[in-house]
Amino acid sequence: AQKVTQAQTEISVVEKEDVTLDCVYETRDTTYYLFWYKQPPSGELVFLIRRNSFDEQNEISGRYSWNFQKSTSSFNFTITASQVVDSAVYFCALSEAGTGNQFYFGTGTSLTVIP
Amino acid sequence: DTGVSQNPRHKITKRGQNVTFRCDPISEHNRLYWYRQTLGQGPEFLTYFQNEAQLEKSRLLSDRFSAERPKGSFSTLEIQRTEQGDSAMYLCASSEGQGRHEQFFGPGTRLTVL
Repeated sequence: AQKVTQAQTEISVVEKEDVTLDCVYETRDTTYYLFWYKQPPSGELVFLIRRNSFDEQNEISGRYSWNFQKSTSSFNFTITASQVVDSAVYFCALSEAGTGNQFYFGTGTSLTVIP
Repeated sequence: DTGVSQNPRHKITKRGQNVTFRCDPISEHNRLYWYRQTLGQGPEFLTYFQNEAQLEKSRLLSDRFSAERPKGSFSTLEIQRTEQGDSAMYLCASSEGQGRHEQFFGPGTRLTVL
């Protein structure tokens, strides 16, 4: 079974619009970690944010914000006032404390910001 | 140290040939990971090392694949008798410690098997 699901395959928005990327995860561990990565056209994965399962406090960092809800197993990511440079593939990932240290990645959401 | 580096960046080979990729992690990181990424998919875990010990291997890592990290620094991933299905981007990542720590990824090695 897929541990991380990113149902949105592709999203297009016009510059300056807000956009939310969805991520739903599945785990039986009580301790786990969630991540968002960005993969621009150059190909290198860039770390954006990490959240621990015991820290549901949501956060805003500049134009980025995250909404972590254990009750719905969701870890959504929002970009406000999108810019062309935000165009990339965004991956959500899960790491479980009890079953090793590998990351389980979703299939990614390709975001295109149209100028 | 500016990050994780991988060499070569691109490799084209003929089916049946052996290939070897190298990864140099961030110097103070004791954990090193290998992933494979195919077009339109997220990275898939292959194996990871803590220092020189290979602690976990995925079922994706067939017996044609072998990875080493001889001195706990750089790592190599070798694929023997390559097949067309091995064509993918091979990503290396490193981290400071256990799963809660973010992994920092290299630029990848793109393998094309003809």
